Amino acid sequence: SAVISQKPSRDICQRGTSLTIQCQVDSQVTMMFWYRQQPGQSLTLIATANQGSEATYESGFVIDKFPISRPNLTFSTLTVSNMSPEDSSIYLCSASDREETQYFGPGTRLLVL
Amino acid sequence: KQEVTQIPAALSVPEGENLVLNCSFTDSAIYNLQWFRQDPGKGLTSLLLIQSSQREQTSGRLNASLDKSSGRSTLYIAASQPGDSATYLCAVSNAGNMLTFGGGTRLMVKP
Repeated sequence: SAVISQKPSRDICQRGTSLTIQCQVDSQVTMMFWYRQQPGQSLTLIATANQGSEATYESGFVIDKFPISRPNLTFSTLTVSNMSPEDSSIYLCSASDREETQYFGPGTRLLVL
Repeated sequence: KQEVTQIPAALSVPEGENLVLNCSFTDSAIYNLQWFRQDPGKGLTSLLLIQSSQREQTSGRLNASLDKSSGRSTLYIAASQPGDSATYLCAVSNAGNMLTFGGGTRLMVKP
């Protein structure tokens, strides 16, 4: 199994600013993903973080709003840019090896005022 | 586009009952199906993973079944306990191991 940590665990931000969330995995993994969980909702995939190349975004999510980096096999960042109150959500990082169990980090709770 | 539905959305039972949570998905071309537990304000804990070639998996008091052809999975919880109270999420994996989640079932087990 993989242990995933995220920083920060929570933050309160002003609209118009940006926040970068870090995700660290304790072992090398093939795949890393970023999900969003809006209040009272289930999880929605934002993008697949690709090591050494641009992330693959799902419909409704764009790189300018959610730039993602993955410099190596154990680390990724998600930036929420030019935030608005609608971006208030829990952002979760996950990791897996191919078609195996996907493990999730504890999430980052973001409140935008 | 894959769609995942979970029924019921919420469930309240007395302690000790056996219960069944249901999950259905529209595209049967899945690689695997995973059941998660989410406690309030927390991340997700993986409970069971069923590969597409398997029909069920068991872990302690939990048993998950998969009928890929009909697009259904069930999570059976035996002898429920107050500590089982949480939201249970079903997720299916298609190509690239990207998960599509259901809306979840909020379970409350009363002492």
